[in-house]
This record gives sequence, C-alpha cells and structure tokens, in this order.
Amino acid sequence: DTAVSQTPKYLVTQMGNDKSIKCEQNLGHDTMYWYKQDSKKFLKIMFSYNNKELIINETVPNRFSPKSPDKAHLNLHINSLELGDSAVYFCASTPSGSRTDTQYFGPGTRLTVL
Amino acid sequence: GDSVTQMEGPVTLSEEAFLTINCTYTATGYPSLFWYVQYPGEGLQLLLKATKADDKGSNKGFEATYRKETTSFHLEKGSVQVSDSAVYFCALSGPSGTYKYIFGTGTRLKVLA
Repeated sequence: DTAVSQTPKYLVTQMGNDKSIKCEQNLGHDTMYWYKQDSKKFLKIMFSYNNKELIINETVPNRFSPKSPDKAHLNLHINSLELGDSAVYFCASTPSGSRTDTQYFGPGTRLTVL
Repeated sequence: GDSVTQMEGPVTLSEEAFLTINCTYTATGYPSLFWYVQYPGEGLQLLLKATKADDKGSNKGFEATYRKETTSFHLEKGSVQVSDSAVYFCALSGPSGTYKYIFGTGTRLKVLA
C-alpha cells in the first residue's frame, strides 16, 4: 500500500553510464515531481508533470530527461553520468498542484557515480 | 523571486527542552507555508501546514503560525523527545505559480537523552 514508490533505492555506477530511476504513485494524484537533494540536504526541484504534461523544467542539464507514460508514473533518465550527479533523488506527487497541496514523497534513490 | 530562509543547524537539545526553528519567507501574494520532516534514510513527510495568514498548523506537539506581518512561520515544540531527531524543512507553495514548491535549506535537530 506504498503511496509513492521509487526504484531502485540505491544505484552505484561509473561515470559516463546511462541510468534510469522509476517512480510510481497510487494516490490518484495529477502532479508529480523530481527533486535532487545534495549532500548538505539542500532540496531542489528539477521537473514537474501535471497529467503527463511537463510544466516545470528548472535549470537542469539536458542529460536529464523525464518521461511520464501516464499520470501515475514519472521516470528519470540520466545520460553520461558525471560525478556531480551523485545525490539522492526524490519523487513526489500532489493531488492537483494547487498551492495548498501537500507533497507526498517517495523514499528516495541514492545515486553514487564513481 | 520567492525564497525561504531557515536557521542553520545543527540544533542540539536535551530531551524535554523547548524547540524553536526559525523560518522566514519572501513571496509575492499569499503563499501556503509548510514544515516537512525527514528522518534518516527516508523521504520528507508533512509535519504541518498553514494556507493563509494567522492560521496555526499543529501536529504531534509541533506548532507554527503563519505571520504575514513578519513573513515568518517559526516551528515550535514545548518538549522535544529523542525521536524528534531529524532534519526539518520549511517550504512555501505558490503564489507566483502553482505546481512549484520552494524549500529552505533544512535544519538538523539532534535531541540527546
């Protein structure tokens, strides 16, 4: 009965590789997000989708490409991984994206690039 | 642009001490304000929220009041427990556009027995 799930939980890979992180929510929410949390716990929004439509695309290298096959899923693909991509990536969802909505976070994916 | 500033940690307290974590914000219009908590190895979860001025959010003994005149949303708890040890994030949502949250830098709280 997990609300927001992510796979994998841990990802260790070499520089230059391509990897994907998957996110699924079973809350029936319309809006999903990807955040990056660095080693100092700073949390920065990367992307947001509403009903499969990209609505927020922050200043993120174009090596990062989100994909939303349906409104319950938001995946993140990263090409040509770099050392600076090492972080914890969180998926989140909200019912509609309104300013009063609570964000529901997944457990995070810890990415380590060697 | 919109921003959130919260006090730097870490904050170390003894059990049963009083807790205050300061949070101020800059935003045009009327944002919603939130406190989220992150326990080790987990994602963030909502602690409390307030969606308009003078609202007080409360949960698990924590409280925060939306103060428009001082643009603040300080988190307080009268008596902390070891289990409250976590990272606390202040955040705002809207008003300059929906869909976007802005988080503070987080404040680590450590409570000693």
